[in-house]
Amino acid sequence: NAGVTQTPKFQVLKTGQSMTLQCAQDMNHNSMYWYRQDPGMGLRLIYYSASEGTTDKGEVPNGYNVSRLNKREFSLRLESAAPSQTSVYFCASSERSSGANVLTFGAGSRLTVL
Amino acid sequence: GENVEQHPSTLSVQEGDSAVIKCTYSDSASNYFPWYKQELGKRPQLIIDIRSNVGEKKDQRIAVTLNKTAKHFSLHITETQPEDSAVYFCAASSLSGNNRLAFGKGNQVVVIP
Repeated sequence: NAGVTQTPKFQVLKTGQSMTLQCAQDMNHNSMYWYRQDPGMGLRLIYYSASEGTTDKGEVPNGYNVSRLNKREFSLRLESAAPSQTSVYFCASSERSSGANVLTFGAGSRLTVL
Repeated sequence: GENVEQHPSTLSVQEGDSAVIKCTYSDSASNYFPWYKQELGKRPQLIIDIRSNVGEKKDQRIAVTLNKTAKHFSLHITETQPEDSAVYFCAASSLSGNNRLAFGKGNQVVVIP
């Protein structure tokens, strides 16, 4: 049982390049999320998908797009990377149970934009 | 939307002492309050949570208390050990917020051997 798997673990891009972060979960969770983590800023929600076929903006969606490919997979795309997007990105999934929204996180993807 | 704040940002404690981290939230409709621990270079992981119909919850050396009137909740770690050194994030969510978690900015806890 792998949980939440995200790739790649590390990536270096030049300004203006594009890339896609992949995320897959094998826990049959309905909801999936993309967060970014920057020093002193905590975990900020970029986009989320409450269920297959739906996506919604979070706190910091500008410069990103997402695709909920199926129930298992949720990808994050940077169309034209900027240095401000240098960050650690975490994918997460969850299933609400008795009012609790317990997130399971992936291992993270460290992105550097030069 | 919900705004969660954590204090202090950094906390150093001697091994064996207790550590307390406090969070405040803004949305009185919030009803679920988890704490996540993130060790250096690792992913955040849930360590304990509490629902709004409960005032306190314990799990071995960790406990969480909730004061709904004051809109704050705290994480208590007793008999701290070096492996408790990590960043701790509190969060809050409500049905009105689509059950999305709003995270605080995190507290760095350093346990000094």
